[in-house]
Amino acid sequence: GAVVSQHPSRVICKSGTSVKIECRSLDFQATTMFWYRQFPKQSLMLMATSNEGSKATYEQGVEKDKFLINHASLTLSTLTVTSAHPEDSSFYICSAAAPGQNSYNEQFFGPGTRLTVL
Amino acid sequence: DAKTTQPTSMDCAEGRAANLPCNHSTISGNEYVYWYRQIHSQGPQYIIHGLKNNETNEMAPLIITEDRKSSTLILPHATLRDTAVYYCIVRSGGFKTIFGAGTRLFVKA
Repeated sequence: GAVVSQHPSRVICKSGTSVKIECRSLDFQATTMFWYRQFPKQSLMLMATSNEGSKATYEQGVEKDKFLINHASLTLSTLTVTSAHPEDSSFYICSAAAPGQNSYNEQFFGPGTRLTVL
Repeated sequence: DAKTTQPTSMDCAEGRAANLPCNHSTISGNEYVYWYRQIHSQGPQYIIHGLKNNETNEMAPLIITEDRKSSTLILPHATLRDTAVYYCIVRSGGFKTIFGAGTRLFVKA
């Protein structure tokens, strides 16, 4: 399957600082990318959907001014956690969608970024 | 997209078959059944998907009932590396994937 990378894999930051996480599709062009957040022992929660060249669509309850998403190219989306606080500590996972050659559309997930805010 | 119901957790002995059930009684005609798994501290991994027929690939076979209201993912010979959370998801042709709680499978030596 296609490969999606995330950088960094883990990051520790001080409260009040901003952190940027990159998501790249390495061998395909992704028209749509998704950002998820996962707290310990919980399932993935969809945060937002981003389409290349347009504004992201945020799920209910996700603050768009706090979680800034940029999808400037077909292979790169970034998530910036602004003014991070300890409660933002979580595992952030992106996925990239590629229109399928079959009758379905497949999504490929990145390895995740573990954010710890002190 | 239709909601799914899965057991919270299951145990399986190494080398034995693990049958992971999923109920999706409200599935609509254009919705596919997808299975992913997530090993601890990693991103989800696609396993298999199907519409109305049984499917199989190099990872696992998927059995979908004739009425499409339930499915079973089969790991014929579970190994310790199959310990993970398995997610059953139904969705239409769009990309958006909403995860439920999944089934935590523990494969024991």
